[in-house]
Amino acid sequence: DIQMTQSPSSLSASIGDRVTITCRASQGISNSLAWYQQKPGKAPKLLLSAASRLESGVPSRFSGRTSGTDYTLTISSLQPEDFATYYCQQYYSTPQTFGQGTKVEIK
Amino acid sequence: EVQLVESGGGVVRPGGSLRLSCAASGFTFDDYGMSWVRQAPGKGLEWVSAINWNGAYTHYADSVRGRFTISRDNAKNSLYLQMHSLRAEDTALYYCARVLVFSTSQGYYFDYWGQGTLVTVSS
Repeated sequence: DIQMTQSPSSLSASIGDRVTITCRASQGISNSLAWYQQKPGKAPKLLLSAASRLESGVPSRFSGRTSGTDYTLTISSLQPEDFATYYCQQYYSTPQTFGQGTKVEIK
Repeated sequence: EVQLVESGGGVVRPGGSLRLSCAASGFTFDDYGMSWVRQAPGKGLEWVSAINWNGAYTHYADSVRGRFTISRDNAKNSLYLQMHSLRAEDTALYYCARVLVFSTSQGYYFDYWGQGTLVTVSS
C-alpha cells in the first residue's frame, strides 16, 4: 500500500496568514492526489483533485502544488471558516490511502 | 443537490453483525460507483469498500475483506454495507461517499459524502 505522510499534524495560525500543508507519498503517484477539508462534526469536503484542480465552489485562496513525491496544499490568506482538519488522499492505486490529517487551529 | 443519508449504525457486541444503508438523492445513482469510508473516534479517514455502478465490481480494504459485503440496489437508490464478525477496532463513524470515477485498475476519490452513521462494537 502507498503510505501518505502528512505534516505538520497540527498548526496554529492567525487570520490572514499563509498556511502550507505537505503530504509525501511513499512512491510516485503521478498527481493522483485529492485534498479534503473536515470541520468538527461534519463530513469531509473535497477541495482539490489531480493535485492542483480546484473543485467547483472552492475559494481561490486554496491551491495545490507538486514537487516530486511531495504535494502541498496552500491557503494563501487564512479565513475564519478555514479552521478545520485537512486530509490528503492518493488515488494512484487501490487501496486508496489518506494522510493522517493536519488540524489548523486559531493562534 | 446531492444528498447521501446513512442509517443503521448502533451498538453491537464483538462478533455481532450490522447492516448499514445509504439513501442517495439528487443525482443519477446508477451513473456512479459508491464507497464506504470510516473514521474511528478522534482518528483519521480509512477507506473500507467500494462498488461500481452495477455491482459487478467490488473492492475491500484488507482489514474488512471476508467480513464485510458491499452491495447496492439501483432501483431504490441505495447502498449497503453488511458487516459480520465485528471487532472493537471496527468502531467508527461510517461515511457513504460517491466515487467520481470508479476504476478497476487504479484508485479513486470521493466528491460527495454523507454525514455518517456511528457503529460502536463493545461488550
